[in-house]
Amino acid sequence: GESVGLHLPTLSVQEGDNSIINCAYSNSASDYFIWYKQESGKGPQFIIDIRSNMDKRQGQRVTVLLNKTVKHLSLQIAATQPGDSAVYFCAENPKGTALIFGKGTTLSVSS
Amino acid sequence: IAGITQAPTSQILAAGRRMTLRCTQDMRHNAMYWYRQDLGLGLRLIHYSNTAGTTGKGEVPDGYSVSRANTDDFPLTLASAVPSQTSVYFCASSAAGGPNNEQFFGPGTRLTVL
Repeated sequence: GESVGLHLPTLSVQEGDNSIINCAYSNSASDYFIWYKQESGKGPQFIIDIRSNMDKRQGQRVTVLLNKTVKHLSLQIAATQPGDSAVYFCAENPKGTALIFGKGTTLSVSS
Repeated sequence: IAGITQAPTSQILAAGRRMTLRCTQDMRHNAMYWYRQDLGLGLRLIHYSNTAGTTGKGEVPDGYSVSRANTDDFPLTLASAVPSQTSVYFCASSAAGGPNNEQFFGPGTRLTVL
């Protein structure tokens, strides 16, 4: 069935390091992908999105890479800060109205 | 401040009771959504509405109902709560329904059914 998953449930990094969070998706028809950040006790917050006609998109300190050949999505966070500690979800949008969310990766940043 | 509000913040409910979770957005978004979030399962779509007056079923609609009488409000009702409905519920909205539209999330309602 359709699913969006993350390779690792947890990731621990040191402050200042670059973080890479990975996500595999299964539906070749998906043409829109989003990364969300969720801090404890709060709702998911949009970070960055990418459409299937792109391979890379950059934001402020974040970059999303899309590899459609192997159906892989990654989020890179540069110079990770303690405030980046949160759960990160990828979501895909196959044809239809609903986003499908992955199960999340917990990023822990130690100073 | 523009955004999505949810009420209540948290609730403890006896099994069998009826409960309505409220969601209001002031961004004039056409589409609204209800998700539940359970540990290890991520976010799962319960119901959605692409525009006022229309609703649709998501991945886990059983035991829940919604209505969309106007653009701003999208209440979620549990007619007879069961313990398996213990979860954190998030309301979201987007400018338009369908694919390729960023969804904005509310702060969530933590519901415990005993």
